[in-house]
Amino acid sequence: EVQLVESGGGLVQPGRSLRLSCAASGFTFDGYAMHWVRQTPGKGLEWVSSIHWNSGSIDYADSVKGRFTISRDNAKKLLYLQMNSLRPEDTAFYYCAKDIQYLAPRGCFDLWGRGTLVTVSS
Amino acid sequence: DIQMTQSPSSLSASVGDKVTITCRASQGINNYLAWYQQKPGKVPKLLIYAASTLQSGVPSRFSGRGSGTDFTLTISSLQPEDVATYYCQKYNSAPRTFGQGTKVEIK
Repeated sequence: EVQLVESGGGLVQPGRSLRLSCAASGFTFDGYAMHWVRQTPGKGLEWVSSIHWNSGSIDYADSVKGRFTISRDNAKKLLYLQMNSLRPEDTAFYYCAKDIQYLAPRGCFDLWGRGTLVTVSS
Repeated sequence: DIQMTQSPSSLSASVGDKVTITCRASQGINNYLAWYQQKPGKVPKLLIYAASTLQSGVPSRFSGRGSGTDFTLTISSLQPEDVATYYCQKYNSAPRTFGQGTKVEIK
């Protein structure tokens, strides 16, 4: 089955760290760029970060630059988001998403995981 | 950064009505524009990319138009299952910004 499954969310205090994982199955993971998108409960979507299939190109939203790090392990079919210096405004559902195009990424997303909730609060 | 502005923020229409949602980019993005549908309690679903290309499996009542800065998503005949929030997204370059969403309800 083609799917993405996120894990690693939870309640964390401000200033602490958390690492999210996304397990991919059912498609050629190492041929697609992958992305993280977040959504505050009841609010809109915010693109967070992208990584090309070979990790050769990485982008971040200004709101997380310098605090979050995206990475991937193609052999294990895993995508990661290391989140440091967390702030209350980082509270959101975090979705991993697959790029629509093989090898040459477009930057839009045709497969989404169900999300994992990160709550930053003391 | 390029801002994406959707209008209206919400709308209510009758079953069978034609519904149009507008998305405007603060700078030109050619046709690097996608539309997503998010039903209540569900994850977003890609409807259209490249401004007008229908994603596989999406009903033909959905269509997209536009280029540059102005884009539209049209539902030709609104169905009860179309109740959702619709988002546009620009993807020509980072940041891959989403619009704020348009909530579509049945009157």
